[in-house]
Amino acid sequence: KAGVTQTPRYLIKTRGQQVTLSCSPISGHRSVSWYQQTPGQGLQFLFEYFSETQRNKGNFPGRFSGRQFSNSRSEMNVSTLELGDSALYLCASSLAAGNTIYFGEGSWLTVV
Amino acid sequence: AQRVTQPEKLLSVFKGAPVELKCNYSYSGSPELFWYVQYSRQRLQLLLRHISRESIKGFTADLNKGETSFHLKKPFAQEEDSAMYYCALSGSGAGSYQLTFGKGTKLSVIP
Repeated sequence: KAGVTQTPRYLIKTRGQQVTLSCSPISGHRSVSWYQQTPGQGLQFLFEYFSETQRNKGNFPGRFSGRQFSNSRSEMNVSTLELGDSALYLCASSLAAGNTIYFGEGSWLTVV
Repeated sequence: AQRVTQPEKLLSVFKGAPVELKCNYSYSGSPELFWYVQYSRQRLQLLLRHISRESIKGFTADLNKGETSFHLKKPFAQEEDSAMYYCALSGSGAGSYQLTFGKGTKLSVIP
């Protein structure tokens, strides 16, 4: 079966702009979560959605938001980009809580 | 607050030598612990989880609640084991499912 798919894979944005990243979970998976990976902070949890509801949110400013659609696909948005937002953004999906979490390849965001 | 600590950023061992990647955690409650691996140019993937008590690719990990540790071990390292290894803990509040990761340990197996 197809894995977690993220688009775009690479993008460059300017400070102050906004960005939207997309994630298609594994078919049948209803839980989608997002992580930010940077060399300094490592992997940090952003938020998790299940059946279109945000169930948990990490310690990130309100500029980071997300949503999940009825088909379980998810998007995350970062507004007013800062240089420090440059990172690899990983999406992950699972069937439900307690099941194995599968990760996508990530979206590399560079803010200049 | 939950926390995962991997004290070694880099671990180099010779092929055939035993490997132990250390992981300590802090969590108030019953934790669920995982090891994830990321091979070069590949996505992050689950290596093993403590509740399944499996041995994957020769790796094992035992949850020691007294020492709050979940060290990853393999008796004989192979070159293909070279990768980044992340220890993670689940924070399952209100039915949600999030992972708290350690900073990772890069394992380099020397031929």
